[in-house]
Amino acid sequence: DAGVTQSPTHLIKTRGQQVTLRCSPKSGHDTVSWYQQALGQGPQFIFQYYEEEERQRGNFPDRFSGHQFPNYSSELNVNALLLGDSALYLCASSLVPTENTEAFFGQGTRLTVV
Amino acid sequence: EDQVTQSPEALRLQEGESSSLNCSYTVSGLRGLFWYRQDPGKGPEFLFTLYSAGEEKEKERLKATLTKKESFLHITAPKPEDSATYLCAVQATSSGGSYIPTFGRGTSLIVHP
Repeated sequence: DAGVTQSPTHLIKTRGQQVTLRCSPKSGHDTVSWYQQALGQGPQFIFQYYEEEERQRGNFPDRFSGHQFPNYSSELNVNALLLGDSALYLCASSLVPTENTEAFFGQGTRLTVV
Repeated sequence: EDQVTQSPEALRLQEGESSSLNCSYTVSGLRGLFWYRQDPGKGPEFLFTLYSAGEEKEKERLKATLTKKESFLHITAPKPEDSATYLCAVQATSSGGSYIPTFGRGTSLIVHP
């Protein structure tokens, strides 16, 4: 059973560019959440998708947007990249966006903005 | 604002030397407290969920406990392969009805052979 898979694993972009990160959830999961983890910090919640809609959003600007497809996979888009966007971007999947459900994380995408 | 503080930031142990990691939280209405293990450059791996004060869960050399203000992750007779960063996260009703978890910064554990 494949767990959560993310692509690409590493990415280098130039300030001002746009980036798209991809995530396939664990088999049987229908909810995808995205997190940003800066070096030495805990993950920070960006947003969550369920039934192809953004259900919850953390304290991130509109430059961060996403999408969920009918097969539950998801994309994270970041526009007008800033140096401060350099981080490990994590995708987590779970069963429905409710409490008491454990989330399974992917390996992450390491984004470096130069 | 929900706050999660983990201590110590870093911990070095000798193999077999038991210890505890702390996660203190300031939230209104805890829904759940989660422990994760994270290896360098990897995504967090789920360990435990605790829901109410007094609850305890165990997995191999790890035991998680919960009080009304904090959680402990006890590591008994650790091995070098237990070396990792341990993250704590909470979900609370003070999040305005949402289920957004708040993570601590983690405790970096190194176990020397």
